[in-house]
Amino acid sequence: GAVVSQHPSWVICKSGTSVKIECRSLDFQATTMFWYRQFPKQSLMLMATSNEGSKATYEQGVEKDKFLINHASLTLSTLTVTSAHPEDSSFYICSARADIHYGYTFGSGTRLTVV
Amino acid sequence: QKEVEQDPGPLSVPEGAIVSLNCTYSNSAFQYFMWYRQYSRKGPELLMYTYSSGNKEDGRFTAQVDKSSKYISLFIRDSQPSDSATYLCAVNTGFQKLVFGTGTRLLVSP
Repeated sequence: GAVVSQHPSWVICKSGTSVKIECRSLDFQATTMFWYRQFPKQSLMLMATSNEGSKATYEQGVEKDKFLINHASLTLSTLTVTSAHPEDSSFYICSARADIHYGYTFGSGTRLTVV
Repeated sequence: QKEVEQDPGPLSVPEGAIVSLNCTYSNSAFQYFMWYRQYSRKGPELLMYTYSSGNKEDGRFTAQVDKSSKYISLFIRDSQPSDSATYLCAVNTGFQKLVFGTGTRLLVSP
């Protein structure tokens, strides 16, 4: 149980275009999902907390207009990287928690390359 | 001072060795403790989850939490080359965001 599915696993896009990444909780409902960014050989950096039915909470230094988060249902959160630039190339990962008795489950990640 | 401190390694051991991975944390309010394994270019995989002091065992893995000293450990017995990965400790107070250590890179040589 507690599976989080993330798509796509990798994407290449041209500079200036937008890319949407989906994160789904398959067997549980997630009121809250988290979006992370990870650079090579570094730990996960929390970008924002996605709340179902309300606005996301962004961490300091994360541009909310660039990284649009939508949590339209209890099983789906999306991250849209708008007007992507090469410096946005990174590994993006989502996570959610099914229950207080379990740890957080992570998606498999999305490798974004902006060319 | 970081909320969670973890030695980045790399830690190199021969196959079959017992591996000890450790983290310290500063906030006594943290109640939930997790260990994740992350292979290159993959999402973190939950290995162990505890919410109290003491030991928890699952196969070759043992998680240990000492709240009095704010110290958490992960032991891997009979380590295998397939255990080579980055191990991340994570803590939090509940449903809030996780606080991660920097991760320790483990290399198990055949």
